[in-house]
Amino acid sequence: SQQGEEDPQALSIQEGENATMNCSYKTSINNLQWYRQNSGRGLVHLILIRSNEREKHSGRLRVTLDTSKKSSSLLITASRAADTASYFCATEPPYNNNDMRFGAGTRLTVKP
Amino acid sequence: DAGVTQSPTHLIKTRGQQVTLRCSPKSGHDTVSWYQQALGQGPQFIFQYYEEEERQRGNFPDRFSGHQFPNYSSELNVNALLLGDSALYLCASSHPTTVSTDTQYFGPGTRLTVL
Repeated sequence: SQQGEEDPQALSIQEGENATMNCSYKTSINNLQWYRQNSGRGLVHLILIRSNEREKHSGRLRVTLDTSKKSSSLLITASRAADTASYFCATEPPYNNNDMRFGAGTRLTVKP
Repeated sequence: DAGVTQSPTHLIKTRGQQVTLRCSPKSGHDTVSWYQQALGQGPQFIFQYYEEEERQRGNFPDRFSGHQFPNYSSELNVNALLLGDSALYLCASSHPTTVSTDTQYFGPGTRLTVL
């Protein structure tokens, strides 16, 4: 069963703008990861944030985690047309470190 | 350094048939997980193999089975195919620590169509 829920389901912005995607989950987690997927291909790992971390940065990506609200956000700054893809959050429960739960994803379109 | 590879890329089967999908993990990884991704949905965990044994299983029927070989490569077998089995099947490899699963690296997937 899926744990995370991404919001919004779809997002369309202009190149150069920032894109923010949110993820909410239901149960306690060990860590939360964000992935990108282009056109039904394999998932590319973007960033992992552990339950005891609040914020992480990687290049133009910024991820926050609020375990009290069971939510995370992914910010992509200065977006590019090449950022067009589906973005998924995946959570790993603390009792079972083998079972990652994905949301349905946010479809991001960056217009040139 | 090769990443995760999967074969075949695409596959078309008819209802009732059986299918085998293959995955080779990233170099240095010993754990393989399989996911099913229906169109427009996120991946759903099928099972994970470590040391040639199924270590964890998601909510999938026994028609879905797997195997891991001594070289850490893995197969996913699906018997008695149903139309609903049509999906992208993703393999991911990792090297778990004692604390939690490390980053999972995904292959490009196998697109299975059941007619």
